[in-house]
Amino acid sequence: SAVISQKPSRDICQRGTSLTIQCQVDSQVTMMFWYRQQPGQSLTLIATANQGSEATYESGFVIDKFPISRPNLTFSTLTVSNMSPEDSSIYLCSGLGATDTQYFGPGTRLTVL
Amino acid sequence: GQNIDQPTEMTATEGAIVQINCTYQTSGFNGLFWYQQHAGEAPTFLSYNVLDGLEEKGRFSSFLSRSKGYSYLLLKELQMKDSASYLCALRKAGTALIFGKGTTLSVSS
Repeated sequence: SAVISQKPSRDICQRGTSLTIQCQVDSQVTMMFWYRQQPGQSLTLIATANQGSEATYESGFVIDKFPISRPNLTFSTLTVSNMSPEDSSIYLCSGLGATDTQYFGPGTRLTVL
Repeated sequence: GQNIDQPTEMTATEGAIVQINCTYQTSGFNGLFWYQQHAGEAPTFLSYNVLDGLEEKGRFSSFLSRSKGYSYLLLKELQMKDSASYLCALRKAGTALIFGKGTTLSVSS
């Protein structure tokens, strides 16, 4: 299975600030994705991180709020911008492995005060 | 959208068998996946189906009927550690998994 790491694992942030989450995957991963999981909810896809080009966002998510970078095959960042308490959630990085199975990082638990 | 539906909660006792159903409405997909998620942890892959029929992996089995828009996850010989959320998900070619709302399973002694 693919190995996916994220940092930070958790953070508490003030309203109006921004947080950048980093995700590192091993070389087995082809595609990378970012998900959000709000308390007690299932996973919602934010975007597909494309290497060297703009991410592909799902309905309801925009680049200005969630800028994403993927400068190379194995690294991606998600920034949560101008945060509000509604952004409190777990953010998960995910990668698609060679066997068509999608793996998940441990998640970043964000609390916005 | 893909309208993936699962029961919100289920309860069962140790040693029993439980079946978690998943129904969906979509025009086409590559595979149907099942994940397990314990509280505070990331989802972990359990099983997936590409073709109709039953896939067995130890105590867990998953079934798919494309014509009926239906899948289920079967858990046998339930253990307390099986208490978790079980997530049904679909993927179309070249895209990410889209998840249902998940089923929270509580196993009691």
